[in-house]
Amino acid sequence: ETGVTQSPTHLIKTRGQQVTLRCSSQSGHNTVSWYQQALGQGPQFIFQYYREEENGRGNFPPRFSGLQFPNYSSELNVNALELDDSALYLCASSNILYETQYFGPGTRLTVT
Amino acid sequence: QQQVKQSPQSLIVQKGGISIINCAYENTAFDYFPWYQQFPGKGPALLIAIRPDVSEKKEGRFTISFNKSAKQFSLHIMDSQPGDSATYFCAAPRFYSGYSTLTFGKGTMLLVSP
Repeated sequence: ETGVTQSPTHLIKTRGQQVTLRCSSQSGHNTVSWYQQALGQGPQFIFQYYREEENGRGNFPPRFSGLQFPNYSSELNVNALELDDSALYLCASSNILYETQYFGPGTRLTVT
Repeated sequence: QQQVKQSPQSLIVQKGGISIINCAYENTAFDYFPWYQQFPGKGPALLIAIRPDVSEKKEGRFTISFNKSAKQFSLHIMDSQPGDSATYFCAAPRFYSGYSTLTFGKGTMLLVSP
């Protein structure tokens, strides 16, 4: 069974730029959730995708957007990057029927 | 918004000792409480989870104790080993219309000294 994978591993961007992060969900999972984890903090929920639609959203501005594809993989897009967007971005896959979420290794984003 | 309060923030335990991490939660629509373990530079990995139809769940050296009336649950690591040194997060579910998500505590950094 293949676990959750994310790319890239690390990324450095300049303030104002746009970034796209990618996630491949675990086999058999149809739901993807994205989290932001600032240094020394717990993961914060950004949004969730199910059946290629945004299923729910946390307290993040619209410049955080996403996509889910028919194979259940997903993208997180962030526009107009700010310094505070520097964080570890985590993708978690799950089955909509169950609560258990499995995390990928994350993408470390640094905004300078 | 669902809050999960985790303590202590950091913990140092000698090898072979017992590590105890506590979490308190607010109201929740359903009952499922996982603990995640995270090593530096890695994503959180599911360690153990409990549904409060039982008050305790044990998997190897890891035990979750659950007190539904107090809205508290704790992680006990028996015979702690240096390889257990990591950050531990408790989480509680939050159910919205059509979906559920997890609310995490701020984490406990555990250091097990040799």
